[in-house]
Amino acid sequence: ELKVEQNPLFLSMQEGKNYTIYCNYSTTSDRLYWYRQDPGKSLESLFVLLSNGAVKQEGRLMASLDTKARLSTLHITAAVHDLSATYFCAAHGSSNTGKLIFGQGTTLQVKP
Amino acid sequence: DAGITQSPRHKVTETGTPVTLRCHQTENHRYMYWYRQDPGHGLRLIHYSYGVKDTDKGEVSDGYSVSRSKTEDFLLTLESATSSQTSVYFCAITSSANTGELFFGEGSRLTVL
Repeated sequence: ELKVEQNPLFLSMQEGKNYTIYCNYSTTSDRLYWYRQDPGKSLESLFVLLSNGAVKQEGRLMASLDTKARLSTLHITAAVHDLSATYFCAAHGSSNTGKLIFGQGTTLQVKP
Repeated sequence: DAGITQSPRHKVTETGTPVTLRCHQTENHRYMYWYRQDPGHGLRLIHYSYGVKDTDKGEVSDGYSVSRSKTEDFLLTLESATSSQTSVYFCAITSSANTGELFFGEGSRLTVL
């Protein structure tokens, strides 16, 4: 059974600093997804990583996937307050049904 | 806009009453999903559907049933609501780009007193 774990679960950081959120998953999964959620809102898709070694970047966020290590990272560069949100990673529980298994989420708080 | 609407968006009910949440999509997607979100647990899959009248259980299906009588609607029913089912419920569909990416509705906040 696929399990997805994120760490840290809560991250408080200063503006301008760099940090990384880690997402480990327990069984083989060929795809990994990152989502952002603002308080009281729905989930917004950030990145879709479709193969080993995939790297995607959007603004100050960069996501990567290592399927051999069963690890994905979300790197934040020079954080700004607008990045404050909860970030979820998700992996495919079964590729032929499309169902995703989510991590617990990492709440990021960026302080001025 | 992924063309998903959930209703109701907010509901307060009492223990033991039946509740039905509706998810409506306008884009003719085959796969639809119901998740619940609780603090510390992320999102957990309740049930999903892979076509009209075709449904299957997810991680936390006990106490829930679903129906899909037409492509555009996926209903989640709590036959007899309990306080442990107080949660935010999200419906999702897969993207048309065939990447496996899910798009989510706005969520339905259910409180069971």
